[in-house]
Amino acid sequence: EPEVTQTPSHQVTQMGQEVILRCVPISNHLYFYWYRQILGQKVEFLVSFYNNEISEKSEIFDDQFSVERPDGSNFTLKIRSTKLEDSAMYFCASSVRRNSRDEQYFGPGTRLTVT
Amino acid sequence: SQQGEEDPQALSIQEGENATMNCSYKTSINNLQWYRQNSGRGLVHLILIRSNEREKHSGRLRVTLDTSKKSSSLLITASRAADTASYFCATASSGSARQLTFGSGTQLTVLP
Repeated sequence: EPEVTQTPSHQVTQMGQEVILRCVPISNHLYFYWYRQILGQKVEFLVSFYNNEISEKSEIFDDQFSVERPDGSNFTLKIRSTKLEDSAMYFCASSVRRNSRDEQYFGPGTRLTVT
Repeated sequence: SQQGEEDPQALSIQEGENATMNCSYKTSINNLQWYRQNSGRGLVHLILIRSNEREKHSGRLRVTLDTSKKSSSLLITASRAADTASYFCATASSGSARQLTFGSGTQLTVLP
């Protein structure tokens, strides 16, 4: 069964450094998402992406964040200058959103630790 | 309560028993989705129910939706130890079906 994959599984970085989190969505999916979950807290929406542009973003997704689909398979989240409070599990998700298929399928996550 | 709040926060049952988890929300929704998360792992999609549906089944899962009460329930029948996990409801609002709002989750423990 097709799955969303994410790399790396764990990233440790120093405050102020740039990180790029990578995702490979399910191949026939059209919408892509990033969510994050700070330890012990709820899963929070960051951004959705369709047709090579951001379709929605939350207040969390400020100028330090950007997303890109550099080729036909990868979807990346970049944090330009990491802060301690960016430490969280970051989940990528994708959905078909065609023929009433709205289910969002999540990857296993990347645990980002900012020191 | 906030959008997509589950109760109870924790539930402990014996293997073979049924487990019922509830979710309440505040705004109008397009759909509601239930997910499972094993400790420290990713989110596994379980089932989606649309705002015009009242009940849906998938294997041992039964989901109901009452839009007049803005609530949903997830029933797991004949529970197994492997069902031990956190269960979350996530709502997609009528205005923004692409953005899921998650609740705090119910931690289910199934004792062998």
